[in-house]
Amino acid sequence: QVQLVESGGGVVQPGGSLRLSCAASGLTFSGYDMHWVRQAPGKGLEWVAFIRSDGTNQYYADSVKGRFTVSRDNSKNTMYLQMNSLRAEDTAVYSCTKASRYCINGVCWYWFDPWGQGTLVTVSS
Amino acid sequence: DIQMTQSPSSLSASVGERVTITCRASQGISNYLAWYQQKPGKVPKVLIYAASALQSGVPSRFRGSGSGTDFTLTISSLQPEDVATYYCQKFNSAPPFTFGPGTKVDIK
Repeated sequence: QVQLVESGGGVVQPGGSLRLSCAASGLTFSGYDMHWVRQAPGKGLEWVAFIRSDGTNQYYADSVKGRFTVSRDNSKNTMYLQMNSLRAEDTAVYSCTKASRYCINGVCWYWFDPWGQGTLVTVSS
Repeated sequence: DIQMTQSPSSLSASVGERVTITCRASQGISNYLAWYQQKPGKVPKVLIYAASALQSGVPSRFRGSGSGTDFTLTISSLQPEDVATYYCQKFNSAPPFTFGPGTKVDIK
């Protein structure tokens, strides 16, 4: 079955950097768009970043634009999130997820499934 | 950017009761909407996509409806295992792929 496993979280000081990884198995990774989603402690879900299946397009939430960079290595079935200039408000569990889709007559609908268990990033001095 | 709102933010209902959660988009998104259930300490699970299509394996007591700006998730008969927070998400072609703020459902 499809499995997504995040790693790289930890405690970092404000202004610091961290790189998260998302290792995928059980799927043809290069065939799927991927996303990062975060959830601050006790808060709701926040979409963070998107990368197209071939890595040609990336999109970001306004809250991380210019500070975070999403990338992928399809030869390693792995997606990355480089996080720079970290702030206290970036403290959250970061999860990677696959964009699943249903298409009919050239129209497609998407949803996130499955999700990894997430890795905790804590920004604190 | 399109904003997503949900109401109520929380609710408490009895086992067997019908529960309705509303999600509203600030602009029309056709039927490009998904609903997720997140149980405490667990990752989110998709219930509904395309506003009304039931994901495989999801109990039929869950029903999604709506199009444009107004959407509804209905649980026809609330069960103890449905205690969770429910999120809607817009998933049309343009990012950001915004989630609603969530509705927490408890048993009375």
